[in-house]
Amino acid sequence: GNSVTQMEGPVTLSEEAFLTINCTYTATGYPSLFWYVQYPGEGLQLLLKATKADDKGSNKGFEATYRKETTSFHLEKGSVQVSDSAVYFCALKMNTGFQKLVFGTGTRLLVSP
Amino acid sequence: EAGVAQSPRYKIIEKRQSVAFWCNPISGHATLYWYQQILGQGPKLLIQFQNNGVVDDSQLPKDRFSAERLKGVDSTLKIQPAKLEDSAVYLCASSSSGRGLADPRGYFGPGTRLTVL
Repeated sequence: GNSVTQMEGPVTLSEEAFLTINCTYTATGYPSLFWYVQYPGEGLQLLLKATKADDKGSNKGFEATYRKETTSFHLEKGSVQVSDSAVYFCALKMNTGFQKLVFGTGTRLLVSP
Repeated sequence: EAGVAQSPRYKIIEKRQSVAFWCNPISGHATLYWYQQILGQGPKLLIQFQNNGVVDDSQLPKDRFSAERLKGVDSTLKIQPAKLEDSAVYLCASSSSGRGLADPRGYFGPGTRLTVL
């Protein structure tokens, strides 16, 4: 079946460091890909998305590029802030019918001042 | 606009007891979802409603879990009887668009953390 694999956390960085959170997927066909973020005590929020190969999603300084050849959708940010501390989930959704979101296990990011 | 509301935020019960969770989606959102998020795992869809009809409940353990959406607005998720492995965060979400949660107009609530002892 369809699945998403994320790097295990926590990822611990100092403020202004470069962030990469790896995400790879397995799917029959070509899914849409997403990153969600969950701040402490809050619900999941859609951070960015890409619907086809080579698309780049971006939001709040975060970016991810849909790489079909490596089945990857790695999340990057050039300079993290303490306020970016959260759990990040990679997810996929097939583009036909009422296809459900399939989430990865999440990666906790901790940014220290 | 107000977000998705869930209650209670926390619940501790003993195994074999019953528990119910309530969700109030964003006004006007036709689609409502219940997800189960076990510690260390990503959220897993339990059931999806479109208005008050069930679209997908393939991963709902129907021998102990039930859900309803009265009048296509609020929803309740019930577990009876609870097992230790039901300890998780139960997330409710709603959306207005046909693309569901894979759209900025899809929203998750803060969740209910259930501990089964």
